[in-house]
Amino acid sequence: QVQLQESGPGLVEPSQTLSLTCTVSGASISSGDYYWSWIRQHPGKGLEWIGYIYYSGSTYYNRSLKSRVTISVDTSKNELSLKLSSVTAADTAVYYCAIGRSSGGFDIWGQGTMVTVSS
Amino acid sequence: DIQMTQSPSSLSASVGDRVTITCRASQTISIYLSWYQQKPGKAPKLLISAASRLQSGVPSRFSGGGSGTDFTLTISSLQLEDFATYYCQQSYSTPQVTFGQGTKVDI
Repeated sequence: QVQLQESGPGLVEPSQTLSLTCTVSGASISSGDYYWSWIRQHPGKGLEWIGYIYYSGSTYYNRSLKSRVTISVDTSKNELSLKLSSVTAADTAVYYCAIGRSSGGFDIWGQGTMVTVSS
Repeated sequence: DIQMTQSPSSLSASVGDRVTITCRASQTISIYLSWYQQKPGKAPKLLISAASRLQSGVPSRFSGGGSGTDFTLTISSLQLEDFATYYCQQSYSTPQVTFGQGTKVDI
């Protein structure tokens, strides 16, 4: 079955760029009607959609984060990546990669990775 | 952006209780509504999509309903493993999707 695994630094300094990777197994990141997504959850809070890249390569971002976010794929490694620039403490959160479907739901999630922004 | 408002924010219930959670959208979203269950330290799990379509493997005690702006998630007989936080999510305004703030169900 399809599995997702996030990885990256757990600590990022303010004003730096947060970079995370999601390794995909059980499916090709370049095929299928999938929305390869990033979603985050601030400590003790709800879920915030960050953005996704469609299998065609089109990207879509949350308007509130759009100026700082880049989502891309590395088809040779079957990986999804997230870059969030100019981070502040407000970007401290658990970051999930997930697969969205045309039905609208996100039905496969990674286990999440906690990122703390602090000096 | 479409705002999703869940009620209540939290509720206390007992095993065997019938529990209903409400999600209201700030504008009509047809049936573009999904429900998730999240347990502490775990990723959310998709329970229902398209307002009422139960995902494979999800117990039949879970059901979803509604259309337009008002939606419900009902657990017909609460089990111990159902104590968790539940989120709704709209995808009508895809790609700009939004989640509700969550409803915590505890004992």
